[in-house]
Amino acid sequence: DQQVKQNSPSLSVQEGRISILNCDYTNSMFDYFLWYKKYPAEGPTFLISISSIKDKNEDGRFTVFLNKSAKHLSLHIVPSQPGDSAVYFCAASGTGYTGANSKLTFGKGITLSVRP
Amino acid sequence: DTEVTQTPKHLVMGMTNKKSLKCEQHMGHRAMYWYKQKAKKPPELMFVYSYEKLSINESVPSRFSPECPNSSLLNLHLHALQPEDSALYLCASSQGGTTNEKLFFGSGTQLSVL
Repeated sequence: DQQVKQNSPSLSVQEGRISILNCDYTNSMFDYFLWYKKYPAEGPTFLISISSIKDKNEDGRFTVFLNKSAKHLSLHIVPSQPGDSAVYFCAASGTGYTGANSKLTFGKGITLSVRP
Repeated sequence: DTEVTQTPKHLVMGMTNKKSLKCEQHMGHRAMYWYKQKAKKPPELMFVYSYEKLSINESVPSRFSPECPNSSLLNLHLHALQPEDSALYLCASSQGGTTNEKLFFGSGTQLSVL
């Protein structure tokens, strides 16, 4: 059972435009959410995170929005640049030191292509 | 130093070989992880060491044997692997001893089993 879903496998946008990457989750115990960016044959790089006490977190060109009632989060990249082309993973976890909720659960990833 | 360093970057081994993957971090992080990632798939958790003790083993076959010699080092010993074990093996660390924190990943070891 996939608890973190990234239903769109890929997204293509024009350079300079906005990229919106979506993520849905099913586990209501999740309260900490992260986005990672990954280039081929490299490890994922942390991008931005948000806890459930907030509905928005911004870092430069990257903004993450959280809608707890819909169990949905999105990553906005504005403006998109060709160097943003990568796979983006959404991840989630809950509080607590043990149990399934204590581990990061990753989505399958979205491949973003930014066209020059 | 905010890096997790993994060696080797690439490894090709036969099914009868014994090899080891190494991981090092000097950020003072108390938890270290091994993940396996196949192409176009999310990272899959294998093992977690928290305060140098094995805290999670995700039912990984015994041909994979983790070792944490000290708080900065993590090894993954490989023996009698199968071709389907070919993947990118990622080491990660997190600051506290819990597993629900931001992870810092190494660049991985691309393993091919022939």
